[in-house]
Amino acid sequence: NAGVTQTPKFQVLKTGQSMTLQCAQDMNHNSMYWYRQDPGMGLRLIYYSASEGTTDKGEVPNGYNVSRLNKREFSLRLESAAPSQTSVYFCASRMITGGNTEAFFGQGTRLTVV
Amino acid sequence: AQSVTQLGSHVSVSEGALVLLRCNYSSSVPPYLFWYVQYPNQGLQLLLKYTTGATLVKGINGFEAEFKKSETSFHLTKPSAHMSDAAEYFCAVSDEGSGNTGKLIFGQGTTLQVKP
Repeated sequence: NAGVTQTPKFQVLKTGQSMTLQCAQDMNHNSMYWYRQDPGMGLRLIYYSASEGTTDKGEVPNGYNVSRLNKREFSLRLESAAPSQTSVYFCASRMITGGNTEAFFGQGTRLTVV
Repeated sequence: AQSVTQLGSHVSVSEGALVLLRCNYSSSVPPYLFWYVQYPNQGLQLLLKYTTGATLVKGINGFEAEFKKSETSFHLTKPSAHMSDAAEYFCAVSDEGSGNTGKLIFGQGTTLQVKP
């Protein structure tokens, strides 16, 4: 049971380059999320997909786009990377049945933009 | 809107001592609250969750948390710290006030150091 799988685990980009972070879950969850983690700031929500076919902005969406490819997969794209996007990115999934379910997290992608 | 505040970005205890990590929340609706743990270079793992009912919640690895509505708190405790408890701990609330989106709102995190 893989849970939530993120690729790649590490990435170094030059300013202005683009890349896509991939996320897949095998738990048949309806909702998926992208967070970024920065020291002292906890996890901040970038984008989320409450159900297949929908996506919405979170707290810090600027500079990012997402695609909910199907129920399993939710990708995050950086069109033109900036040093401020250096962070650890986490994908999560959750089955929404009224609020008391936990979210499951991937192992993270450590991104450095130089 | 819901929010979470964790008091103390770093907590240091001796092995065998009581662990107390503080979390206060703000919510306009009955909250669903969670504690997650993150070991170095890993993702987040659920420690415990409060939904409704019993106010004292037991989790994995000997941790427990008490929900106090009057104090809007959900502090995490463990009677006796072990070296393996050194990690970062996050309190989170489920954002139930904005539709059925399932968003989790996290606190800033508390790093627990356990000294031998």
